[in-house]
Amino acid sequence: DAKTTQPPSMDCAEGRAANLPCNHSTISGNEYVYWYRQIHSQGPQYIIHGLKNNETNEMASLIITEDRKSSTLILPHATLRDTAVYYCIVRVAGGRNTGFQKLVFGTGTRLLVSP
Amino acid sequence: AAGVIQSPRHLIKEKRETATLKCYPIPRHDTVYWYQQGPGQDPQFLISFYEKMQSDKGSIPDRFSAQQFSDYHSELNMSSLELGDSALYFCASSPPAVTDTQYFGPGTRLTVL
Repeated sequence: DAKTTQPPSMDCAEGRAANLPCNHSTISGNEYVYWYRQIHSQGPQYIIHGLKNNETNEMASLIITEDRKSSTLILPHATLRDTAVYYCIVRVAGGRNTGFQKLVFGTGTRLLVSP
Repeated sequence: AAGVIQSPRHLIKEKRETATLKCYPIPRHDTVYWYQQGPGQDPQFLISFYEKMQSDKGSIPDRFSAQQFSDYHSELNMSSLELGDSALYFCASSPPAVTDTQYFGPGTRLTVL
């Protein structure tokens, strides 16, 4: 799996957009970008994933650069409950076709949302 | 929506004792993963199962074993417990799909005294 680089910590004011960057310059063509977050001592929570197109769901948006070497997770209106460690993980999509791919967690970005 | 269930949520054991952690995946999910998260560390993959067969193995000690049953629930058996086994143990499940997004349970906090 390609390695990722994330800033260790970020701050964001409540109600503002939180933009979390991730560098993955060695990503392969068949590797997806996944984002998970972990609120203190809870199980990691899936947020979003994408291959090359930008993606949006009810939780967040994922912007992937055209060369796929970096991406940004956007929380459009951060709340206090979004305070968590955010993990950017690059991996081949798992399942029956490509094998069952474990998640390799790096150090992530600790996001602190303040009032 | 139904989530991954883990039991027990908290477990306290003495050194050299054994422990069994249970994981009940989301209904119709056929793949189960186990992760260990030590204090101040990031989650580390232990082992995974698909259709009751081991599908991948990580840094799981030989003292640990796991299996998946016909109803897809999984159990992680830990013997000769050591102080360093104190950690959060997470189970995740994924559906029978091409891209296996993993959904995590709340974890079991194991404390070895």
